[in-house]
Amino acid sequence: NAGVIQTPRHKVTGKGQEATLWCEPISGHSAVFWYRQTIVQGLEFLTYFRNQAPIDDSGMPKERFSAQMPNQSHSTLKIQSTQPQDSAVYLCASSPQTGYEQYFGPGTRLTVL
Amino acid sequence: AQSVTQPDARVTVSEGASLQLRCKYSYSGTPYLFWYVQYPRQGLQLLLKYYSGDPVVQGVNGFEAEFSKSNSSFHLRKASVHWSDSAVYFCVLSLNTNKVVFGTGTRLQVLP
Repeated sequence: NAGVIQTPRHKVTGKGQEATLWCEPISGHSAVFWYRQTIVQGLEFLTYFRNQAPIDDSGMPKERFSAQMPNQSHSTLKIQSTQPQDSAVYLCASSPQTGYEQYFGPGTRLTVL
Repeated sequence: AQSVTQPDARVTVSEGASLQLRCKYSYSGTPYLFWYVQYPRQGLQLLLKYYSGDPVVQGVNGFEAEFSKSNSSFHLRKASVHWSDSAVYFCVLSLNTNKVVFGTGTRLQVLP
């Protein structure tokens, strides 16, 4: 079991560029979550999918952030026109069908210059 | 409203000493509770989980936690800490859905 895989581990973008972050959940897990972590705000919920369907995106900044889960083996978080305030660690987690514990990936550190 | 409070932002202990990290929750439903640890530049790792039954749950690396419904608490304990336990510890409440509420974290520093 490789755990949750996130790529890339680090990404640097210029202001206004697009960033796409990838997450591969643990095989067989039915739910996938995206979080953002900063020193100032701590852990913030962004969105989650269950069985590939979007369930709750209440934490997503509406204008520039989008997330998809085209198949059960990966999810993407896309940030358009990145801004310096988007700099953070983006964490992906997955959860099994039974149980509510979440298993986290190592995160992607996004730096917007 | 549901919430998780970790009253100690930082805790410093000496290696070999015992440890307790405090966690209080507020939730009207049946709480499912977790402790996670985050080492520098890593994701969160699950230490232990409580769903029901025995209020004392065992986790990895000698950690345990005790659930108290009367006190709305879920404190984390370890009998003897090692310098490698230095990390940030998060108490997490599940809202009986897949949504969770995170505590603000306690940064543990273990002095050699």
